[in-house]
Amino acid sequence: EAQVTQNPRYLITVTGKKLTVTCSQNMNHEYMSWYRQDPGLGLRQIYYSMNVEVTDKGDVPEGYKVSRKEKRNFPLILESPSPNQTSLYFCASSFSRKDSNQPQHFGDGTRLSIL
Amino acid sequence: TQLLEQSPQFLSIQEGENLTVYCNSSSVFSSLQWYRQEPGEGPVLLVTVVTGGEVKKLKRLTFQFGDARKDSSLHITAAQPGDTGLYLCAGDPPGTSGSRLTFGEGTQLTVNP
Repeated sequence: EAQVTQNPRYLITVTGKKLTVTCSQNMNHEYMSWYRQDPGLGLRQIYYSMNVEVTDKGDVPEGYKVSRKEKRNFPLILESPSPNQTSLYFCASSFSRKDSNQPQHFGDGTRLSIL
Repeated sequence: TQLLEQSPQFLSIQEGENLTVYCNSSSVFSSLQWYRQEPGEGPVLLVTVVTGGEVKKLKRLTFQFGDARKDSSLHITAAQPGDTGLYLCAGDPPGTSGSRLTFGEGTQLTVNP
């Protein structure tokens, strides 16, 4: 089954404790992206990757890191999480963003609470 | 300031009613996408509109792209409880060559039986 898999689905942690949210897709997609979703603000892009070893900042990259060492994986790293990073996070992938009509396939989300 | 403004933000209606959701911008988009998101899940693409003035239908859902490609609307006829969800419009901001996708804040639709 074609899918985008995020782990963990839920995490409660404390300020300053490094964490990684993994994202994996099995559709051989070139493009991957991370979003955070907050009430009243919609989905905002954190980082995106056009292909392996190519990553770039989205609208709200501060406090986050990503890597794209393999095509299928795009982990989101919070080196020193803070309470303002409490949010619902989504990973998405698409075949290519060069064609802006390509749909993005989303994971089911990771709810992070930073105390 | 949101590049894509959606209205209304919340909509609660009775089964069988019609409704329209709007997605507006002051910028021209090469295309706009509509997604639906249900609780505990990620957004799922409903449709992409590309040509100014284009109308696409998906069963009881009708999507329209404005002539100037700055706005879009989603009309639902005879809404059903299964239509309940968060509806999001999204598009590539001008000058980003398809590398980015910006979303509206969403319209939370509740259809009561």
